[in-house]
Amino acid sequence: EQQVQQSPASLVLQEAENAELQCSFSIFTNQVQWFYQRPGGRLVSLLYNPSGTKQSGRLTSTTVIKERRSSLHISSSQITDSGTYLCAIDNYQLIWGSGTKLIIKP
Amino acid sequence: GGIITQTPKFLIGQEGQKLTLKCQQNFNHDTMYWYRQDSGKGLRLIYYSITENDLQKGDLSEGYDASREKKSSFSLTVTSAQKNEMAVFLCASSITRANTEVFFGKGTRLTVV
Repeated sequence: EQQVQQSPASLVLQEAENAELQCSFSIFTNQVQWFYQRPGGRLVSLLYNPSGTKQSGRLTSTTVIKERRSSLHISSSQITDSGTYLCAIDNYQLIWGSGTKLIIKP
Repeated sequence: GGIITQTPKFLIGQEGQKLTLKCQQNFNHDTMYWYRQDSGKGLRLIYYSITENDLQKGDLSEGYDASREKKSSFSLTVTSAQKNEMAVFLCASSITRANTEVFFGKGTRLTVV
């Protein structure tokens, strides 16, 4: 069983819509990190969130450790937000979800 | 800010060949990692190192060797390339081993012919 699950696996939205990505985990952690990757591109750290809510520009991450879940909210999506969003939890090593592929259409 | 540089960007090898991937970081981070990323799958840890000359095996270490001769560099060797190893290899670093933000290089794409 995968220890970190992300949903949805893929998401298609119109430009300017909001995106909500989910990450749930079956083992204990006290750190969740969200990454972004464009096809063929570098893994970029978006938000590093021990717990609670953290915001960076149009991105907001909310992590509830005791409920073993984290979410990433992207407001007013742009075409350039398209790519894969990965969630990873820290359990003495990073354990990764399989990602959400986000496509933003004009 | 710092940067992680991986070389080469693309690596083509023969089946059975020994291949080496290199990684340099200028963050002055103690911990460095090698991950493998296969299409449609999550990242899997091959090796990590918490300091110079330290090596720790990850879940996917079989078939690989690693070397951390300097704090700033971490190399990965595929001991005998196999066709099912076509993947992207990602190097990463962080200040310490756990509970800290991790930064990644752009990756080396390995193709075995």
